[in-house]
Amino acid sequence: EDQVTQSPEALRLQEGESSSLNCSYTVSGLRGLFWYRQDPGKGPEFLFTLYSAGEEKEKERLKATLTKKESFLHITAPKPEDSATYLCAVQGGTASKLTFGTGTRLQVTL
Amino acid sequence: SAVISQKPSRDICQRGTSLTIQCQVDSQVTMMFWYRQQPGQSLTLIATANQGSEATYESGFVIDKFPISRPNLTFSTLTVSNMSPEDSSIYLCSGGGLQETQYFGPGTRLLVL
Repeated sequence: EDQVTQSPEALRLQEGESSSLNCSYTVSGLRGLFWYRQDPGKGPEFLFTLYSAGEEKEKERLKATLTKKESFLHITAPKPEDSATYLCAVQGGTASKLTFGTGTRLQVTL
Repeated sequence: SAVISQKPSRDICQRGTSLTIQCQVDSQVTMMFWYRQQPGQSLTLIATANQGSEATYESGFVIDKFPISRPNLTFSTLTVSNMSPEDSSIYLCSGGGLQETQYFGPGTRLLVL
């Protein structure tokens, strides 16, 4: 059974204070690791897909990296508008379904 | 990218009744899925909606409680049957396939009294 563990559960940063969110996973035959952002009262918003170890993707202040056991979402010089819950999910084997972690609630203050 | 809409966006229902949630995708997608997100929790997959055949349910979810239809490649419905307060949750629809980005709808907030 696929499993995803995210840490920390919650993170509070000051504006400009860079940090990383962790996503550890176990999956039989990784097909893709997905990062989403979810704002309160809304559906998850797609950020990145990573397919193989060593892959990296960037978007504005966010950078996602992948190893064989975990993924990191690096946030550089965050702004208050980056405050949200960040979800990690894996897709494995021949199934198209996603298995989600419990998320990291990020709060960025002035 | 696919844009997914859901109706209704929210509802308050009495216990013992049923609610049908609609999900519309603006383009054809390989697979459609239904998730549940309970307050403060992450997403749990209810079932995969298969076009033209019965849905595939995850452990703990059954067809009698959550009947699903998918008459074509861009539309699906989820019914929450014989509701109880424990069914109060956000229900999310998504579309995508193997190694494809899975896009989500805005969710349906359900409160059962």
